[in-house]
Amino acid sequence: GAGVSQSPSNKVTEKGKDVELRCDPISGHTALYWYRQRLGQGLEFLIYFQGNSAPDKSGLPSDRFSAERTGESVSTLTIQRTQQEDSAVYLCASSLIGGASYNEQFFGPGTRLTVL
Amino acid sequence: QKEVEQNSGPLSVPEGAIASLNCTYSDRGSQSFFWYRQYSGKSPELIMSIYSNGDKEDGRFTAQLNKASQYVSLLIRDSQPSDSATYLCAVKDGSSNTGKLIFGQGTTLQVKP
Repeated sequence: GAGVSQSPSNKVTEKGKDVELRCDPISGHTALYWYRQRLGQGLEFLIYFQGNSAPDKSGLPSDRFSAERTGESVSTLTIQRTQQEDSAVYLCASSLIGGASYNEQFFGPGTRLTVL
Repeated sequence: QKEVEQNSGPLSVPEGAIASLNCTYSDRGSQSFFWYRQYSGKSPELIMSIYSNGDKEDGRFTAQLNKASQYVSLLIRDSQPSDSATYLCAVKDGSSNTGKLIFGQGTTLQVKP
């Protein structure tokens, strides 16, 4: 079946502009995660959605970052007033059930964001 | 601050050898552990998950878990040049009910023909 999809694959923006990144999870997966990966680094958790539960926003680095999810489908990550340190690959993952011990997460191809 | 530690490498092994990748973690409450493979410029791909102490084998891959020592490892038998990639160790946050993963920095593996 189809995997996690993300768009755009690449985004170049100017400092101070807003950007919106999109994620479409695997069909039937109720949990959705956003991570960030800076060049040469590991992945940093940003935010988690599970059904109609309140999202876990504990990883968002500042109030310039926000995310939404419509039901158990598409999610958008918005970064306002982008800064150069926001340059990274933004990865979306989904899993069947978020809180379960058996929680295999599958990643999309990512969006590479470059802030000039 | 919960941490997952990996040797960044590079770990270089000849083709056909066994590659051994190691990972330690700080969160004693963690119950789920994962290995991802990441090719340069690509996203992480799940290759192994392990939840109980001991070994778990899948093809050429064996994951080993020792919760008492807070240690996870991945063995790759009969290493191939196509195994050359960065291997990320990920640990489920034991205090979170969201399933978020804490990742190590990754170990770069080079398999030489």
